[in-house]
Amino acid sequence: GAVVSQHPSRVICKSGTSVKIECRSLDFQATTMFWYRQFPKQSLMLMATSNEGSKATYEQGVEKDKFLINHASLTLSTLTVTSAHPEDSSFYICSAGSSGDYEQYFGPGTRLTVT
Amino acid sequence: GQQLNQSPQSMFIQEGEDVSMNCTSSSIFNTWLWYKQDPGEGPVLLIALYKAGELTSNGRLTAQFGITRKDSFLNISASIPSDVGIYFCAGLPNAGNNRKLIWGLGTSLAVNP
Repeated sequence: GAVVSQHPSRVICKSGTSVKIECRSLDFQATTMFWYRQFPKQSLMLMATSNEGSKATYEQGVEKDKFLINHASLTLSTLTVTSAHPEDSSFYICSAGSSGDYEQYFGPGTRLTVT
Repeated sequence: GQQLNQSPQSMFIQEGEDVSMNCTSSSIFNTWLWYKQDPGEGPVLLIALYKAGELTSNGRLTAQFGITRKDSFLNISASIPSDVGIYFCAGLPNAGNNRKLIWGLGTSLAVNP
């Protein structure tokens, strides 16, 4: 149980283009999904929290117009990196949790490379 | 942002040895979670702790929620090569915060066969 998938696992895009990353909870309803960014040899950095059907809450310093988050259903959240720059290259990981449960279950991550 | 103090930062041990790592906080936590992350993968939840003093096992792993609610430890007994990875502690503070986890910086474990 508690399986979270992410797609794509790897993506290479050119500067100025947009990239969409999908996060799905496969066997439970995710009332809350979280998007993280992780740099090599570092801990996870929370970017934003999204609750199904409402706007995402972004962490300080994260540009909401650049990192668009949509949580339209209880099993799907998407992160769109708009107008990508090389400095957006990173490992993006989503996690999901259900109501009444404080545990978060993570997807396998998406490696984004912007050239 | 707030972070947990996790130690040690890295460990290099022989196969079969026991391992211990811990996390501390200056404030009270309601929940402690321990994760393991393999290279290029997302973290996998190992153990979740919800009550002060709680001691929970998952196979060769044992974790405890400190009675002060400001610390937690994770022990791995009889380590094997597949235990290699980065272990993270994460916690939820006492005050409601939209379930935003506070993370440790990780303990990198290497096991020599």
